[in-house]
Amino acid sequence: RKEVEQDPGPFNVPEGATVAFNCTYSNSASQSFFWYRQDCRKEPKLLMSVYSSGNEDGRFTAQLNRASQYISLLIRDSKLSDSATYLCVVRGSYIPTFGRGTSLIVHP
Amino acid sequence: DTGVSQDPRHKITKRGQNVTFRCDPISEHNRLYWYRQTLGQGPEFLTYFQNEAQLEKSRLLSDRFSAERPKGSFSTLEIQRTEQGDSAMYLCASSLPQGGSYNEQFFGPGTRLTVL
Repeated sequence: RKEVEQDPGPFNVPEGATVAFNCTYSNSASQSFFWYRQDCRKEPKLLMSVYSSGNEDGRFTAQLNRASQYISLLIRDSKLSDSATYLCVVRGSYIPTFGRGTSLIVHP
Repeated sequence: DTGVSQDPRHKITKRGQNVTFRCDPISEHNRLYWYRQTLGQGPEFLTYFQNEAQLEKSRLLSDRFSAERPKGSFSTLEIQRTEQGDSAMYLCASSLPQGGSYNEQFFGPGTRLTVL
């Protein structure tokens, strides 16, 4: 089993839709969790950290479920500009482990 | 531009040649990371420095890979005797430390290596 697993997609949704991605991790000692966004042929950029109590940033909501060892990202009111690959990141000690990413395509 | 920079952006080399990539982190960042990313995969951690100390190198892919950060500023990643399987994007990232917790990593644009 991979340390961090994501459904590669693509998720193909219309503008305005709500879409959710999950990411599972295998190391129960993992301490920190993040979502990064990566546009085609660009470098990854931090989208948001994921806190135990869940957190929201505008249209984006991140949740952590330690018991089931997964994190989620919810995007509401999808925009064309949300089209990208979303990478989840899990950190145990100081080595971050990236998932393979989930591709999102938002169409008009 | 005060972000992370990498040089070169693209490198084409023949199998068996040595290549070296450079990363200049954000100036106040003392943590520096190297990753490899292949098509359809997320970045794969290779090694990490805090200042000039290389604190983790067990994830370097083979003994052909080595990295340095001699003065705690820029870093180099060298691949000796390149193989076609080394073809990938090599990403560098830097961050501030904060009591051992994770700080946001800022990535450079990467060096795309093609081994013929």
